[in-house]
Amino acid sequence: AQKITQTQPGMFVQEKEAVTLDCTYDTSDQSYGLFWYKQPSSGEMIFLIYQGSYDEQNATEGRYSLNFQKARKSANLVISASQLGDSAMYFCAMREAWMDSSYKLIFGSGTRLLVRP
Amino acid sequence: DTGVSQDPRHKITKRGQNVTFRCDPISEHNRLYWYRQTLGQGPEFLTYFQNEAQLEKSRLLSDRFSAERPKGSFSTLEIQRTEQGDSAMYLCASSVQVAFFGQGTRLTVV
Repeated sequence: AQKITQTQPGMFVQEKEAVTLDCTYDTSDQSYGLFWYKQPSSGEMIFLIYQGSYDEQNATEGRYSLNFQKARKSANLVISASQLGDSAMYFCAMREAWMDSSYKLIFGSGTRLLVRP
Repeated sequence: DTGVSQDPRHKITKRGQNVTFRCDPISEHNRLYWYRQTLGQGPEFLTYFQNEAQLEKSRLLSDRFSAERPKGSFSTLEIQRTEQGDSAMYLCASSVQVAFFGQGTRLTVV
């Protein structure tokens, strides 16, 4: 069964430094997508970045990059130059495209990031 | 604002009462999802609509829960005879490829 594992319940990072949030996944599907979402205290899930299983290059979106290691089934999020506004919960999620036509997302348990001034 | 909109943002209800939540998706998105999120956990899938057809329901969606999406536009999620265990954030999302979420409805059953 598909599963997302985020092993870091909480992380601290100093403002302006980079931080890596870990995510490993388990799937038997060959075609899948990996996502990262940010959830501030207001509750809204904000889409950050997407990586397809067939994408050869790591995805980047501004200060966010996804370190995709397919053989190790990991999809770590790297945030560069952390800002105070980055303090939030971060969720890794997976969507299976071949076996699941609903494209529903399976989420990990999240990592709470706190950026220190 | 052209994002996903949910109403109400907060709902406090007494155990045993019925509640209904509304979700207005992004207009060109044919896929609509409901998720439930309890404290300290990631969202869990409840149900999925493609246009007006409800194509998948999670085992989490007990008989007390019903969802509709008339005419493939907005969607409603109703919980009948609420229980304390129903207290959670209910998130709606719509997508073509990437799912965009609303701000959620936080339900507290007292």
